[in-house]
Amino acid sequence: SQQGEEDPQALSIQEGENATMNCSYKTSINNLQWYRQNSGRGLVHLILIRSNEREKHSGRLRVTLDTSKKSSSLLITASRAADTASYFCATDRTGFQKLVFGTGTRLLVSP
Amino acid sequence: DTEVTQTPKHLVMGMTNKKSLKCEQHMGHRAMYWYKQKAKKPPELMFVYSYEKLSINESVPSRFSPECPNSSLLNLHLHALQPEDSALYLCASSQGRGSGDFQETQYFGPGTRLLVL
Repeated sequence: SQQGEEDPQALSIQEGENATMNCSYKTSINNLQWYRQNSGRGLVHLILIRSNEREKHSGRLRVTLDTSKKSSSLLITASRAADTASYFCATDRTGFQKLVFGTGTRLLVSP
Repeated sequence: DTEVTQTPKHLVMGMTNKKSLKCEQHMGHRAMYWYKQKAKKPPELMFVYSYEKLSINESVPSRFSPECPNSSLLNLHLHALQPEDSALYLCASSQGRGSGDFQETQYFGPGTRLLVL
């Protein structure tokens, strides 16, 4: 299966703390994306990092990509209760017209 | 307008019913997608339409029948579903440059929660 693996499966932190989630994948990619999903709702795109980039920032989000290890990490700094959601990485596969989503990390941020 | 809309929000149907899910976007996107998502699982791709033509069918059973009437609309026709088909059905769209070289950002609708009795 091409599906990426994410860890941890679940993460519980306090407001103000940082949250780090990791994604590993199996095939060569053009880009890697991170999405957020609030309970039972649609996914919202957070950030896209291309295979020739190593790090990208967007507000409180920092994404890294290591293509040699086929892994990525998403760091959310100074977390808020509103960050409570599931987070999915998604990879494309060179030459294929589709995204494959990782298994997801469920983040709970307590006030 | 960066919104993808889906109707209905909830649907309950029997195994002998015929129903349709609808998806609409007005972002000028030329690629549209149907995903199925079970609880606590990632979305699984079902179909991809590119420039109103079906380009990917992920070996989905024929009881699911997609249709793309125009570049803004995407339907999923349901017939003789099974209880295991109960799930959240998500529609998404992307610009769809048509090259297939890489995947772009996808914009998702809120989903239709389907229960098959």
